[in-house]
Amino acid sequence: GAVVSQHPSRVICKSGTSVKIECRSLDFQATTMFWYRQFPKKSLMLMATSNEGSKATYEQGVEKDKFLINHASLTLSTLTVTSAHPEDSSFYICSVWREARSYEQYFGPGTRLTVT
Amino acid sequence: EDQVTQSPEALRLQEGESSSLNCSYTVSGLRGLFWYRQDPGKGPEFLFTLYSAGEEKEKERLKATLTKKESFLHITAPKPEDSATYLCAVQSGLHDYKLSFGAGTTVTVRA
Repeated sequence: GAVVSQHPSRVICKSGTSVKIECRSLDFQATTMFWYRQFPKKSLMLMATSNEGSKATYEQGVEKDKFLINHASLTLSTLTVTSAHPEDSSFYICSVWREARSYEQYFGPGTRLTVT
Repeated sequence: EDQVTQSPEALRLQEGESSSLNCSYTVSGLRGLFWYRQDPGKGPEFLFTLYSAGEEKEKERLKATLTKKESFLHITAPKPEDSATYLCAVQSGLHDYKLSFGAGTTVTVRA
């Protein structure tokens, strides 16, 4: 069965609005989650590492004020795209790092964001 | 900086025609090499983790092998349901538990 869920699976929003995407670890507690974005026919690009109880770590070039990450519990991380613009349209995927199984990451089903 | 290169970009196979995908990597201290399968519009599905040169893992028609410079994913007698993009990723000792992905190989298996 699924290890990681994401909600919503698809979202369409107007330019200038904010959108929140949830990532849940279903089978185990996760102190570390990761957020990726993927453009059409391209590979995954890591955006940030979400740490439970502390601030997220962002990759170079990713605007932390635009992509707000909150990891409030051991099973939930949220990504909020603030003041979204059409160039933010993408496929956003989270992953969960399973500490009990060395280094393995399990990915969610992804969220397709379209900004009009 | 970790680098991962996958080849070929695309692979078209006839059902039953075995083939191999290549993943070449450059990392500082390999912690693990991962293979994922991704279907269109879905998140990557975990297939294998390889930790050291010489290691091999199998799952149904898939077999992954690892050397010090590259990994191969062998698809034996593929079926149309094996059609997907196969992603290779590495994890190095320098970057905690972050994964660096290759661009993927899109496999199409015709009946």
